[in-house]
Amino acid sequence: AQSVTQLGSHVSVSEGALVLLRCNYSSSVPPYLFWYVQYPNQGLQLLLKYTTGATLVKGINGFEAEFKKSETSFHLTKPSAHMSDAAEYFCAVTLTGGGNKLTFGTGTQLKVEL
Amino acid sequence: DVKVTQSSRYLVKRTGEKVFLECVQDMDHENMFWYRQDPGLGLRLIYFSYDVKMKEKGDIPEGYSVSREKKERFSLILESASTNQTSMYLCASRSHPAREGCTDTQYFGPGTRLTVL
Repeated sequence: AQSVTQLGSHVSVSEGALVLLRCNYSSSVPPYLFWYVQYPNQGLQLLLKYTTGATLVKGINGFEAEFKKSETSFHLTKPSAHMSDAAEYFCAVTLTGGGNKLTFGTGTQLKVEL
Repeated sequence: DVKVTQSSRYLVKRTGEKVFLECVQDMDHENMFWYRQDPGLGLRLIYFSYDVKMKEKGDIPEGYSVSREKKERFSLILESASTNQTSMYLCASRSHPAREGCTDTQYFGPGTRLTVL
């Protein structure tokens, strides 16, 4: 079984500041990890994913995340927030090999202020 | 470009009505999924289908059924809509994990916001 915990349902940053959205997972086998973004009134769009190989993963729009097995974490970061980053972000986990079940966290709403 | 479409963006129905939500993908994907999204709960899996005419219950199947008669189309059915089924419904698709080149990525449609009065 697998699960995901996203710390902080709402995060607020100033434009130009570092964005850090936290995700911790629980998995009985090596996981595949994903970050999705949802803009208002839209579906989910894949930001980045970790399957195997390099633990630092770069995604779209300047986001990146690092898989840390020892900490069971997959935090999402961006060095400098932009107003257009305001959205809801979901971390998700599935078991190695994919299986069929993608388990989502409860989401973090990112607000970017001037 | 990958595309998953859902038949309606907004839908208003009355309690007791039978409701059909349609999802179509053009990527020749074997796997398709229905989720509901509620504030503070994230996305929860209702049903998924790993191939035509094949389906499996997800985490919250009660009150729902599904149909997959063609590979590209996956329908979610609310047999008798209730107010607690007011939610955002998201469809997704993915190629089979064993298929060469599969990236395990699920591609999502824009969602259907259903209100049951």
